[in-house]
Amino acid sequence: DVKVTQSSRYLVKRTGEKVFLECVQDMDHENMFWYRQDPGLGLRLIYFSYDVKMKEKGDIPEGYSVSREKKERFSLILESASTNQTSMYLCASSLIRQGIDGELFFGEGSRLTVL
Amino acid sequence: GEDVEQSLFLSVREGDSSVINCTYTDSSSTYLYWYKQEPGAGLQLLTYIFSNMDMKQDQRLTVLLNKKDKHLSLRIADTQTGDSAIYFCAESYSSASKIIFGSGTRLSIRP
Repeated sequence: DVKVTQSSRYLVKRTGEKVFLECVQDMDHENMFWYRQDPGLGLRLIYFSYDVKMKEKGDIPEGYSVSREKKERFSLILESASTNQTSMYLCASSLIRQGIDGELFFGEGSRLTVL
Repeated sequence: GEDVEQSLFLSVREGDSSVINCTYTDSSSTYLYWYKQEPGAGLQLLTYIFSNMDMKQDQRLTVLLNKKDKHLSLRIADTQTGDSAIYFCAESYSSASKIIFGSGTRLSIRP
């Protein structure tokens, strides 16, 4: 079975802190994604990556950056956390590109609270 | 623009059928999906339908697609307490190479 592991289930940070959210997948998937999930808004795509050292902006990239140094690991970085970044963050991976029958496999999520 | 809409809540009696509805705006969608999110977990793919199909059945699940009205529905027969979850409708299309999710419908089961 595919496993997508997010390093932290719950984090509490202060405004202005730098935050790292780590995601690791164990199925050699090419593609990895970061979403945030907010009530009533569904999932919104922050960044995605189709290959090592490659990244593309999603729909809401402002205030975030990402790093993909190894195929299995995709990190989401909040350079200076703000209260409006309090949310549930979901990492996902897929074998092939989205839009071409690409099933997404999700981690359990990281709930971030910024005070 | 791209948009997928769902109602936020649905409550059904145990043993009844649940019907979760979704509308989407982009007629060039290639695949439409239903994902399920159980409490405290990530999303899992429940089923999907290719855009040239009208219906797909898989055990208790029936997916209906009306391309003319851009309407997708998920019917769960004999709803059980284990079906309590948030159900997300999603669409994908090769031109954009991404999946757009709806807001999710929270299904609750009453005895």
